Amino acid sequence: EAQVTQNPRYLITVTGKKLTVTCSQNMNHEYMSWYRQDPGLGLRQIYYSMNVEVTDKGDVPEGYKVSRKEKRNFPLILESPSPNQTSLYFCASSLRRGSNYGYTFGSGTRLTVV
Amino acid sequence: AQSVAQPEDQVNVAEGNPLTVKCTYSVSGNPYLFWYVQYPNRGLQFLLKYITGDNLVKGSYGFEAEFNKSQTSFHLKKPSALVSDSALYFCAVRAPLTGTASKLTFGTGTRLQVTL
Repeated sequence: EAQVTQNPRYLITVTGKKLTVTCSQNMNHEYMSWYRQDPGLGLRQIYYSMNVEVTDKGDVPEGYKVSRKEKRNFPLILESPSPNQTSLYFCASSLRRGSNYGYTFGSGTRLTVV
Repeated sequence: AQSVAQPEDQVNVAEGNPLTVKCTYSVSGNPYLFWYVQYPNRGLQFLLKYITGDNLVKGSYGFEAEFNKSQTSFHLKKPSALVSDSALYFCAVRAPLTGTASKLTFGTGTRLQVTL
């Protein structure tokens, strides 16, 4: 089944403890992206990647890192999480940048930083 | 900069009645428009898109949307709502590919509540 898989689904952590949220897609998509969803703010893009080893900042990149060493994987790294990063995170992929078919989304990761 | 406005945080409708979820956009050039739906504890699912052609586009689950260029709108509609349609709906827009990564910009979402 074609899908975007995120792990974990739920995560509670403490301020300053490094964490990684994994994202993997099995559709050979070139374009991958991370979003965070907050009430009243909709989805905001954190980082995106147009292909292997090509990443760039989205609208809210502060406090996050990403890497794209393989086409299928696009992990989101929080080096020193803070409470304002408590949010619902989504990974998405698309065949290529600007794909007419929109994005395929993962099921989300609900992160709580205490 | 491109943007999407969903003016209603919540829309309430009785089952069997028609529903409309509003969306207006701002983008340079001809827009590529999308609707996504999010059910509780799930990711976003693609509903329908407008790229070019007929202004009325049909999508999944009986939904349709009408592109209106003069009003820069792309309202989501369904002739007869179901309780199972209750979810969070997002409108999204992107500009035509220009040589840089073409970002999809989302609205803030509209919660649809369908009651018996």
